[in-house]
Amino acid sequence: AQKITQTQPGMFVQEKEAVTLDCTYDTSDPSYGLFWYKQPSSGEMIFLIYQGSYDQQNATEGRYSLNFQKARKSANLVISASQLGDSAMYFCAMREGWTGGYNKLIFGAGTRLAVHP
Amino acid sequence: NAGVTQTPKFRVLKTGQSMTLLCAQDMNHEYMYWYRQDPGMGLRLIHYSVGEGTTAKGEVPDGYNVSRLKKQNFLLGLESAAPSQTSVYFCASRRDSQETQYFGPGTRLLVL
Repeated sequence: AQKITQTQPGMFVQEKEAVTLDCTYDTSDPSYGLFWYKQPSSGEMIFLIYQGSYDQQNATEGRYSLNFQKARKSANLVISASQLGDSAMYFCAMREGWTGGYNKLIFGAGTRLAVHP
Repeated sequence: NAGVTQTPKFRVLKTGQSMTLLCAQDMNHEYMYWYRQDPGMGLRLIHYSVGEGTTAKGEVPDGYNVSRLKKQNFLLGLESAAPSQTSVYFCASRRDSQETQYFGPGTRLLVL
């Protein structure tokens, strides 16, 4: 059974510093995708970054990068130069199966990040 | 371009009442999804649709029904609400050729 584990219920970081949010996954399917979403206090789910299991390079989107270690089954989110607006809940999610399928996402329990000035 | 919208934003129901949550998207996406989010947990898939007129069960479908009569709309129905269905409900949509699911703002439902 597929599973997503986020072991850090809460994290804090000083403004302008980098922070890593952990995510490990479990799947027996060779084709899968990994996502990170941000949920601020206002409640909406905001897509941040995506990594496919066959992608050779780690995904990057502005200040966000995904540290993908396939052998360890980890997909950690790195936020560089943290900003106060980064304070939010962060969810790691996995899509199992081939791209083009119904893309059911399995979510982790989330990590709450607090950025301190 | 409104993206994904959800109606209503908040609702209080009594046990046994019924209601329908509406999700609408204006991006011509083929796939649509309904999730629920409970405290301390990530989102869990209730039902999904791969196109107009099609629906399928997700991880936690019991107590819910869905319909997709029009491509842009995905309705989630609760026939007889229970306190266990108190949750925040999110709708999402996705283009067939893309990975990313885009979420609506959520509907907060309280069942007393």
